Amino acid sequence: QQPVQSPQAVILREGEDAVINCSSSKALYSVHWYRQKHGEAPVFLMILLKGGEQKGHEKISASFNEKKQQSSLYLTASQLSYSGTYFCGTEFSGAGSYQLTFGKGTKLSVIP
Amino acid sequence: KAGVTQTPRYLIKTRGQQVTLSCSPISGHRSVSWYQQTPGQGLQFLFEYFSETQRNKGNFPGRFSGRQFSNSRSEMNVSTLELGDSALYLCASSVTPGTEQFFGPGTRLTVL
Repeated sequence: QQPVQSPQAVILREGEDAVINCSSSKALYSVHWYRQKHGEAPVFLMILLKGGEQKGHEKISASFNEKKQQSSLYLTASQLSYSGTYFCGTEFSGAGSYQLTFGKGTKLSVIP
Repeated sequence: KAGVTQTPRYLIKTRGQQVTLSCSPISGHRSVSWYQQTPGQGLQFLFEYFSETQRNKGNFPGRFSGRQFSNSRSEMNVSTLELGDSALYLCASSVTPGTEQFFGPGTRLTVL
C-alpha cells in the first residue's frame, strides 16, 4: 500500500522551515527519503530504521514514529537548492525481501 | 566512480512492439531495482534483483519482465507495448538490498 505524503506541495521563502510527513497504514521496517529535481534522477537523503535514532545532516533531518507508522522530514532555514520533489519510500515489516513503496511526492518550491 | 548508467536514454515505439532497457549498476553494487515513474502515479516499484535472482515484483502485468546477469547488469523487457506504458523507467542500484539506492538517469519511453 502506497504511503501518504503531506502536504502535496508547499512554497517557502528562503530561510523558512518546512515539515513533510509520510504515513503508512502498514507496519514499517524502514523509511527512505529521496529528493528529485526537475529533469534529474532521485537522490538519496537518508534512511530511518525501525527502532533507530533520528537522522540528519546539516539542516535536513527526519524522524520515525513507530507507534503512528509515520516519518517526518524536517527542512530548516531552507535554501533555494532545497527545491524539488521529496519522496518517501517505505519498506514494510515482515516483507521478507526488499521492496520500496514510494509515496506520490511533495513538491517543495523555495523562492527568494 | 562511475554512476548508474541506463541505455537507451530515449525510446519511441508503437503499440504492440516490445522493448528492452538496460541498466549497469555502480561497480560493487549487487542489488538492482526498477521503477516506473509517471506524473500521475509517481514512482512505482517494478522488480528487485539481487545476485541474479528476482526477489520481489511489483503489481505489474506479466508483460513486464527482467533479469540480472552475473556482473550485476540488469535488463527489463516490456512486450506488447500499450500507450499507458509511456513513462520514465528508472533503475537504482545499491550495495545490498535495503541500503542507499543510487538512481540512474532513466530511459524515457514513449509509446505511440
